[in-house]
Amino acid sequence: SQTIHQWPATLVQPVGSPLSLECTVEGTSNPNLYWYRQAAGRGLQLLFYSVGIGQISSEVPQNLSASRPQDRQFILSSKKLLLSDSGFYLCAWGVGDNQPQHFGDGTRLSIL
Amino acid sequence: KQEVTQIPAALSVPEGENLVLNCSFTDSAIYNLQWFRQDPGKGLTSLLLIQSSQREQTSGRLNASLDKSSGRSTLYIAASQPGDSATYLCAVNSYSGAGSYQLTFGKGTKLSVIP
Repeated sequence: SQTIHQWPATLVQPVGSPLSLECTVEGTSNPNLYWYRQAAGRGLQLLFYSVGIGQISSEVPQNLSASRPQDRQFILSSKKLLLSDSGFYLCAWGVGDNQPQHFGDGTRLSIL
Repeated sequence: KQEVTQIPAALSVPEGENLVLNCSFTDSAIYNLQWFRQDPGKGLTSLLLIQSSQREQTSGRLNASLDKSSGRSTLYIAASQPGDSATYLCAVNSYSGAGSYQLTFGKGTKLSVIP
């Protein structure tokens, strides 16, 4: 069966520090991969998605970036975090637009 | 731009009641619609997916309907249980341009089932 792992589960970082969140998927090949952010009082917002290794599409201009170095690995990064980057970050995978997306347990990011 | 609204924002019901959660969307040109459950501090669990050509989907005590022309979906939960307490999210999959489809989420309905 397919599983998705995200780490860390929680993270507290100072303003201006770098960020690296990792997501890996097991049990499937060539999945579509997604990074979402869920801010307090707001719906989930799609940040990045990838249909293959090295292929990244950005949906929201920001100081975050994403990379897909391997088929089942998706990384969310920042060189300098802002207070507004606080939120709950969720990784998801899917195998096509007519199939459900499946989500990881998320990373709670707090910026001080 | 697709917008998704969920009403009510919060709902509290006694155990055993049947209930309906509502979802509306502004652009009826959707590919499919998905209902998720989110427990506090956790990720999303997919409950049901309805293709644009379908009218409803059922899974156990859950039944989701879709009226694409009016831009509405409902999630019906029968015989509610305390374990159903969670936030329920509706997400619409529609074409975003540049050859891609995207999920647009509502803000969710927080359900509390009182024993």
